[in-house]
Amino acid sequence: AQTVTQSQPEMSVQEAETVTLSCTYDTSESDYYLFWYKQPPSRQMILVIRQEAYKQQNATENRFSVNFQKAAKSFSLKISDSQLGDAAMYFCAYRRQGGSEKLVFGKGTKLTVNP
Amino acid sequence: DAEITQSPRHKITETGRQVTLACHQTWNHNNMFWYRQDLGHGLRLIHYSYGVQDTNKGEVSDGYSVSRSNTEDLPLTLESAASSQTSVYFCASSHRGDEQFFGPGTRLTVL
Repeated sequence: AQTVTQSQPEMSVQEAETVTLSCTYDTSESDYYLFWYKQPPSRQMILVIRQEAYKQQNATENRFSVNFQKAAKSFSLKISDSQLGDAAMYFCAYRRQGGSEKLVFGKGTKLTVNP
Repeated sequence: DAEITQSPRHKITETGRQVTLACHQTWNHNNMFWYRQDLGHGLRLIHYSYGVQDTNKGEVSDGYSVSRSNTEDLPLTLESAASSQTSVYFCASSHRGDEQFFGPGTRLTVL
């Protein structure tokens, strides 16, 4: 079974600085998707960024980018120029390509942004 | 605008009672999912459906059931609520191969 591990229960960053959240996963599949979701205090789950495993290029969305290392099964999220609104729980998630549409989540990292 | 809604947003019930949480989506998505979120566990899959009359068990399905009679709705039923089922419940939906869109969540307390 696939597993997703987020080894940092909590992280903090100063406003305008850069922070990297770690995620590792275990799978025997070669084709899959990886996601980072943000959950602010409102509880709403918001998709931040998505990476297809077959793409070597790392995904970016404005201030958010990933470092995808397929051989190492690592998928970290970098937040640049951190803003107070980035404070939230961040979840890493895995999904197979084709067949099952199920998401497997990590336990989450709580990010605090200090002014 | 298309959306996914959950009701109620908060629910307090007693041990042993039957509880049904509603999930309704207007995206016309085939896929629907129920997750529970507990501190220290992230989100865990309870049940899911790939279309009308299709339902499947997830990793934490004991004590829960679902039925899919139309595309828009996937109600989650707790047959006999237990204190261990106190949690926040999220419904999600997606087109095949696309991202999942999540509802706002239901906080359930079982006393």
